[in-house]
Amino acid sequence: QKEVEQDPGPLSVPEGAIVSLNCTYSNSAFQYFMWYRQYSRKGPELLMYTYSSGNKEDGRFTAQVDKSSKYISLFIRDSQPSDSATYLCAAFGNQFYFGTGTSLTVIP
Amino acid sequence: KAGVTQTPRYLIKTRGQQVTLSCSPISGHRSVSWYQQTPGQGLQFLFEYFSETQRNKGNFPGRFSGRQFSNSRSEMNVSTLELGDSALYLCASSLLGTGTGSTDTQYFGPGTRLTVL
Repeated sequence: QKEVEQDPGPLSVPEGAIVSLNCTYSNSAFQYFMWYRQYSRKGPELLMYTYSSGNKEDGRFTAQVDKSSKYISLFIRDSQPSDSATYLCAAFGNQFYFGTGTSLTVIP
Repeated sequence: KAGVTQTPRYLIKTRGQQVTLSCSPISGHRSVSWYQQTPGQGLQFLFEYFSETQRNKGNFPGRFSGRQFSNSRSEMNVSTLELGDSALYLCASSLLGTGTGSTDTQYFGPGTRLTVL
């Protein structure tokens, strides 16, 4: 079992939709959780960084961590075609563990 | 401020050969981590260097090795290449990297695409 599991999708939504991306993790000791966005032929870039449980909002993006169920979520409001990318969740214990990524396409 | 740079961007090798990849971190960053990215396994941690010392290591065979220089630039070497080593190799830099149970923000380079024939 991988430390962080992520539904690979692909996910295709119309412009303006609310997108929900989800991951689960196995190690209750993880305290730091991240979401990265990766465009084709580029390295991942950090979107959101959360410590422990709770919500964090940044513009159209909201990251949510539920430590009781070991669940990590990223919500994108008013999705735009420029949001089309692969989204990676990650958790940090003694090292970084990444999900395999969810490919998102936002259709104009 | 310049971002993380990796050279070369693309590389084709044959089985049994060895390869060296290079990473220049963001100026002032002392930590460099290396990752392997494949469609099936996703991003997997290889190792982290901080101030020329390997601080952490993932679950990869000894054919994968690295080093860091005094200017924080890092190299990764893979010996006796196998077909399964074909992947995107990413390096990430951060100011302080990972400490005991904590971490700071990583910035990724564009990666080196390695193809093993």
